[in-house]
Amino acid sequence: AQSVTQLGSHVSVSEGALVLLRCNYSSSVPPYLFWYVQYPNQGLQLLLKYTSAATLVKGINGFEAEFKKSETSFHLTKPSAHMSDAAEYFCAVSLGGSQGNLIFGKGTKLSVKP
Amino acid sequence: GAVVSQHPSWVICKSGTSVKIECRSLDFQATTMFWYRQFPKQSLMLMATSNEGSKATYEQGVEKDKFLINHASLTLSTLTVTSAHPEDSSFYICSARGGRGFNQPQHFGDGTRLSIL
Repeated sequence: AQSVTQLGSHVSVSEGALVLLRCNYSSSVPPYLFWYVQYPNQGLQLLLKYTSAATLVKGINGFEAEFKKSETSFHLTKPSAHMSDAAEYFCAVSLGGSQGNLIFGKGTKLSVKP
Repeated sequence: GAVVSQHPSWVICKSGTSVKIECRSLDFQATTMFWYRQFPKQSLMLMATSNEGSKATYEQGVEKDKFLINHASLTLSTLTVTSAHPEDSSFYICSARGGRGFNQPQHFGDGTRLSIL
């Protein structure tokens, strides 16, 4: 069965510092992985997705993620944090099949200090 | 592209009222729509999945007579919370996906905050 684990419910970084949000997955089939961001009182916005093409995926707002099969990881990074990056971030894995329901991690709240 | 509009964004109503939430895909045809519920400081919990023209598939523990879902067209799905009670207060989010295949991303609406007094 597919599952997603996000390590760290809360990550705090200084403005300009590296952002690293961790995501590990468990999947019995080749996974399709997604990162979403949620700002307060809003829905989710797709940051990037991995669909078995390049293992290093570039997304919006300067974020990228690397798929590492050997580590079953899909960590999200950004070289330099900006105040506007403060939000909740969710990693998700697709269940597969034509429905493709998503299993979400519990989320990581990113705080950015000035 | 891939914009999903959810309406209303906030509803406050009395206990016993039925509330309808609309989810529209504005610039693409949504073959599948999803309804989620999110409790404060928690992740999204999938309530049901619907394909256009078909009955919704509800997740275990979700009352289908309580949460009525209609997906009448490729651009519109509605969630009706019937006879709402305070415990139904939550943040409800819809998403839509165009095309088939599980590698297609879901595009989310901005959510509806439902408060039942």
